[in-house]
Amino acid sequence: QVQLVQSAAEVKEPGASVKVSCKASGYTFTGNYIHWVRQAPGQGLEWMGWVDGNRGGTKYAQRFQGRITMARDTSISTAYIELSRLTSDDTAVYFCARTSWPGQFDYWGQGTLVTVSS
Amino acid sequence: QSALTQPPSASGSPGQSVTISCTGTSSDGADYNYVSWYQQHPGKAPKLMIYEVTKRPSGVPDRFSGSQSGNTASLTVSGLQAEDEADYYCSSKAGSNNWVFGGGTKVTVL
Repeated sequence: QVQLVQSAAEVKEPGASVKVSCKASGYTFTGNYIHWVRQAPGQGLEWMGWVDGNRGGTKYAQRFQGRITMARDTSISTAYIELSRLTSDDTAVYFCARTSWPGQFDYWGQGTLVTVSS
Repeated sequence: QSALTQPPSASGSPGQSVTISCTGTSSDGADYNYVSWYQQHPGKAPKLMIYEVTKRPSGVPDRFSGSQSGNTASLTVSGLQAEDEADYYCSSKAGSNNWVFGGGTKVTVL
């Protein structure tokens, strides 16, 4: 069965960077894209971008341009998101999700809570 | 790109139906042929309920249905059950290979 398992919760100080991983299993990793979606406390879902599991290409939401990096390692079927210059507004649960054609998020990770606090 | 617009809340009694709308603008680049809907219970990851406007993934009850008219997609939950109480989000692929979510609708079963 398809599973996406994310790394553990993180606590970071303002100005630091955080890297979250998403390990996929149960399907051919290179056949799908992995997206990242975040949810601030009590708020809705916010799309952040995607990484192509095959070619490694990326697309980021404009508001994160310049401080976001997504990557993947096909040898271990794992996708990553790194967000830099963290502020308290980045405190959120970060989800990875797989898309299948034509664009629905059919499997989700369990979420990783990132807390930004001094 | 702006979020798709959903009503903040909706409610119904057990056994009744509730319909949630999801409206975009003609300039947001969203592809309304590919709207999907997600259910999220507190503290849980979202779950895909409807994709390509009307299709249900395996395992999703047929009480959940989707429709579309112009720039507005809708999710209808028929025969409401207590377990349907959750937040619901619509999503669509937008222009330039971006994706966009609606603001979410909290469904309450009275």
